[in-house]
Amino acid sequence: EIVLTQSPATLSLSPGERATLSCRASQSISIYLAWYQQKPGQAPRLLIYDASNRATGIPARFSGSGSGTDFTLTISSLEPEDFALYYCHHRSNWPFTFGQGTRLEIK
Amino acid sequence: EVQLLESGGGLVQPGGSLRLSCAASGFTFSNYALSWVRQTPGKGLEWVSAISGSGGSTHYADSVKGRFTISRDNSKNTLYLQMNSLRVEDTAVYYCAKITGASSGWHDYWGQGTLVTVSS
Repeated sequence: EIVLTQSPATLSLSPGERATLSCRASQSISIYLAWYQQKPGQAPRLLIYDASNRATGIPARFSGSGSGTDFTLTISSLEPEDFALYYCHHRSNWPFTFGQGTRLEIK
Repeated sequence: EVQLLESGGGLVQPGGSLRLSCAASGFTFSNYALSWVRQTPGKGLEWVSAISGSGGSTHYADSVKGRFTISRDNSKNTLYLQMNSLRVEDTAVYYCAKITGASSGWHDYWGQGTLVTVSS
């Protein structure tokens, strides 16, 4: 099974700052990586798929990059509603797996 | 509007069984694969199982293989997860999620989840 390792575990930033979240795969997954956002009491929401494509309705401040084993989610200028949990997820092969998550908190 | 509504969660003793259901609407059900994904309270997401749109292909996480069975009834637009030999570590909120393709893809819509508690 492919292991996804996210860093940092917690990221403390202020509104307006730039956020950079990382996800590393234990073996190459090409571009088969997605990012999800989850807020307390809610189901996850798809943000980015195929490493760099924004899902429907996702603001342009969210962007994804990477291929192979190293991936990045960037939020260019944090809005108050962006403080949440973020998970990366691969579908390169079965079984699918998720990273352990990065908590983005207000500094 | 795509809607996924899970049901069937509850309290069960270790070694017991439970069947979860997910009623879907707002899309052509048989055209899409579906997954079950769980989340331990206060912890991260774990993909559990997936089934193709036709129901002919199924996949499982190692942690549930041999104990859980995923199935679907395309005439009722309903997804199921039969959970046997339940363990304390199976305690979680279980989400059903629609996949963007007939056999694989991304999880673009999620239900609100149903809580399964395994405890004596």
